[in-house]
Amino acid sequence: AQTVTQSQPEMSVQEAETVTLSCTYDTSESDYYLFWYKQPPSRQMILVIRQEAYKQQNATENRFSVNFQKAAKSFSLKISDSQLGDAAMYFCAYRSAFGQGAQKLVFGQGTRLTINP
Amino acid sequence: KAGVTQTPRYLIKTRGQQVTLSCSPISGHRSVSWYQQTPGQGLQFLFEYFSETQRNKGNFPGRFSGRQFSNSRSEMNVSTLELGDSALYLCASSFGTYTDTQYFGPGTRLTVL
Repeated sequence: AQTVTQSQPEMSVQEAETVTLSCTYDTSESDYYLFWYKQPPSRQMILVIRQEAYKQQNATENRFSVNFQKAAKSFSLKISDSQLGDAAMYFCAYRSAFGQGAQKLVFGQGTRLTINP
Repeated sequence: KAGVTQTPRYLIKTRGQQVTLSCSPISGHRSVSWYQQTPGQGLQFLFEYFSETQRNKGNFPGRFSGRQFSNSRSEMNVSTLELGDSALYLCASSFGTYTDTQYFGPGTRLTVL
């Protein structure tokens, strides 16, 4: 079974600075998808970024980018120019590319990000 | 395009009762997945429905069940509620292929007293 680990329960950063959230995962599969979701206090889970394992290029969405290291099974999220609205719980998630596992997300325990003004 | 909607947003029940939660997916999405979120266990997959068929089920007791209707709306039911069932229940919808992304609703907060 696949597992996802986020080793930083909490992190804080000054507004306008850069922060990196860590995520590692364990799988024997070669093809899969990785995601970062954001859950603000409203509890709505919002997709931040998605990475296909077969793509070597790291995904980028505006101020959000990932560092995907397939061999190391590492998938970190970098937030540049942090804004107050970035404060939330961030979840790393894994999904298989085929088979029954493709129907479910496996989540890490989350990292609570605080932005200091 | 409207997002995923869940009703009700909040529920309070007592032990032994049963509860039904509803999820309406994004228009055109045929897959609905359900997740339970608790402080202790985090986010756990309950089940996934596609075209009215359950395709995958997580490791939850039989008290947790679900169904999907022809318009892709889904319901989940929890019978004989226990205190430990208190949680945020999230549903997510997608087109249902192997490549697409799941989009989440706002959740239903269930409190069992």
